[in-house]
Amino acid sequence: EPEVTQTPSHQVTQMGQEVILRCVPISNHLYFYWYRQILGQKVEFLVSFYNNEISEKSEIFDDQFSVERPDGSNFTLKIRSTKLEDSAMYFCANRTDGYTFGSGTRLTVV
Amino acid sequence: AQSVAQPEDQVNVAEGNPLTVKCTYSVSGNPYLFWYVQYPNRGLQFLLKYITGDNLVKGSYGFEAEFNKSQTSFHLKKPSALVSDSALYFCAVRDEGFQKLVFGTGTRLLVSP
Repeated sequence: EPEVTQTPSHQVTQMGQEVILRCVPISNHLYFYWYRQILGQKVEFLVSFYNNEISEKSEIFDDQFSVERPDGSNFTLKIRSTKLEDSAMYFCANRTDGYTFGSGTRLTVV
Repeated sequence: AQSVAQPEDQVNVAEGNPLTVKCTYSVSGNPYLFWYVQYPNRGLQFLLKYITGDNLVKGSYGFEAEFNKSQTSFHLKKPSALVSDSALYFCAVRDEGFQKLVFGTGTRLLVSP
């Protein structure tokens, strides 16, 4: 079964530092998403990406966030200046038959 | 705007008994409905979905869900619970014409031996 792969699995960073989370999507799927989940709570939509462009973003996805495809296939989520409240699990997903999620990156901001 | 409500924070059931995890939704168009399960420190695993067709949808691990348009509900069910079903369950909806999934707050299922 096709998988979405995320790296790293866990990242610890100091407040104010930049972090980059990486995702390898399933090949040839055009729709791509980033979500976050704070401490086992609600899963929140951040941004969707279609055909190399952002198609929708939430209020959470402010100027400190950006999403890129640095090599045309993989995706990155960059948080420019991390805050304590950015500590969460970050999931990427492809829109497949049932939306396939990666295993997540646990970001801890200290 | 689309939204999902999962009214129960936790559902407790004894092994072998039937289980129901409730979900109601609100969308402006036709709903695409999903259930996911999350085990501790793991990602979201797809269980089942409703797009169109039969109101009773069968999914992975013996789970099923019934779409009820008049009640705007999509409750998750299983005839006989297992201890290994204990996990966090999320209902999600996508409004037709939109791309994002919107999740409910999750329901913790605890199956006792």
